[in-house]
Amino acid sequence: GDSVTQMEGPVTLSEEAFLTINCTYTATGYPSLFWYVQYPGEGLQLLLKATKADDKGSNKGFEATYRKETTSFHLEKGSVQVSDSAVYFCALSGVGTNAGKSTFGDGTTLTVKP
Amino acid sequence: ETGVTQSPTHLIKTRGQQVTLRCSSQSGHNTVSWYQQALGQGPQFIFQYYREEENGRGNFPPRFSGLQFPNYSSELNVNALELDDSALYLCASSWRDYTDTQYFGPGTRLTVL
Repeated sequence: GDSVTQMEGPVTLSEEAFLTINCTYTATGYPSLFWYVQYPGEGLQLLLKATKADDKGSNKGFEATYRKETTSFHLEKGSVQVSDSAVYFCALSGVGTNAGKSTFGDGTTLTVKP
Repeated sequence: ETGVTQSPTHLIKTRGQQVTLRCSSQSGHNTVSWYQQALGQGPQFIFQYYREEENGRGNFPPRFSGLQFPNYSSELNVNALELDDSALYLCASSWRDYTDTQYFGPGTRLTVL
């Protein structure tokens, strides 16, 4: 079946540092790819998405590019802020026989220190 | 536009009991998905309902069942509760499309003693 693997955390950075959270996936066909974020005390919310190869999703300074050749969707931000402290989940939405099924990674906890 | 709501917020049950969790989808959405999130893990897909029919199912036993109503709200029923069923149960709604964004509710925290 489909699977998503995220880099293990937690990740601790200083404010204004560069962020990369790695995400790779295994799936049949061309799934849509997502990054969701969960801020402390809040529910899951979409951060960005990409629906086909070479698409770049972006939001709030975060970016991720759908790389089919490496089956990756790494999350990046050039300069993190304390307010970016949260848990980040990479996910895919299945296609074909897996249509309607979403698969999430285990999440990466980011802490940004002032 | 109202968001996804879930009830109850917290629930404590004993092993062997049955539980029903409820979800109201976001206005205009006709698809509801349910997830189980254990502590420190990502959400695990239980099943999805589209226009009152099950549209996909994850690796959960038949004692996990659901319903979707004509107004697109949904229920998750779990029979014969086990200790390992203790988790946060999340509901998400979307407009049916495999590229679509899911909007998550705050979840129901179930504790099985």
